[in-house]
Amino acid sequence: DTGVSQDPRHKITKRGQNVTFRCDPISEHNRLYWYRQTLGQGPEFLTYFQNEAQLEKSRLLSDRFSAERPKGSFSTLEIQRTEQGDSAMYLCASSHKAGANSYEQYFGPGTRLTVT
Amino acid sequence: QKEVEQDPGPLSVPEGAIVSLNCTYSNSAFQYFMWYRQYSRKGPELLMYTYSSGNKEDGRFTAQVDKSSKYISLFIRDSQPSDSATYLCAMRGISNFGNEKLTFGTGTRLTIIP
Repeated sequence: DTGVSQDPRHKITKRGQNVTFRCDPISEHNRLYWYRQTLGQGPEFLTYFQNEAQLEKSRLLSDRFSAERPKGSFSTLEIQRTEQGDSAMYLCASSHKAGANSYEQYFGPGTRLTVT
Repeated sequence: QKEVEQDPGPLSVPEGAIVSLNCTYSNSAFQYFMWYRQYSRKGPELLMYTYSSGNKEDGRFTAQVDKSSKYISLFIRDSQPSDSATYLCAMRGISNFGNEKLTFGTGTRLTIIP
């Protein structure tokens, strides 16, 4: 299967701990997105990478959040000093660089974070 | 006010019925319109997209966009129990730096009753 994969699928952590999530996009997709989805809401954009460059970050992404995509392939999203308000589903999506289907973002299964 | 408004439902219809799902939006810059289906505890799956105004049909699904009214719709014909899911509308404008970030509605939870 060559879809977007995310790890872990579920994470339970105590308030104040640091957590890191990983996303492996579809091979050769150079665009990668992180979204956050809370219960009963649609996904909200967090940040965007084109290759290894982080080109845009949402206001939602506080200083406690950092994302990387060191070699333009997989990406990590780290949350430091987690708060209960960080509890959500963190979704990763990837897309092609250009062409007729450049609009199409393929989503991974998400990482569900619970902060206790 | 949110940029994209979507009735969260829940919506329950009998099997075989026609389902109509809708979103309204306020940002005139939106040019690309999508519908995603999301099963419980899964990632969203792209169903349909439309560029600018018009209709698009794919099997039992029809997407409509009316930019003059800032209103988009998804119709599902001959609905099946397997169509039970949350349906999310999403849209975006012209990209900056290739960033095709999507703005989503809240999703409508749909149940098809056998």
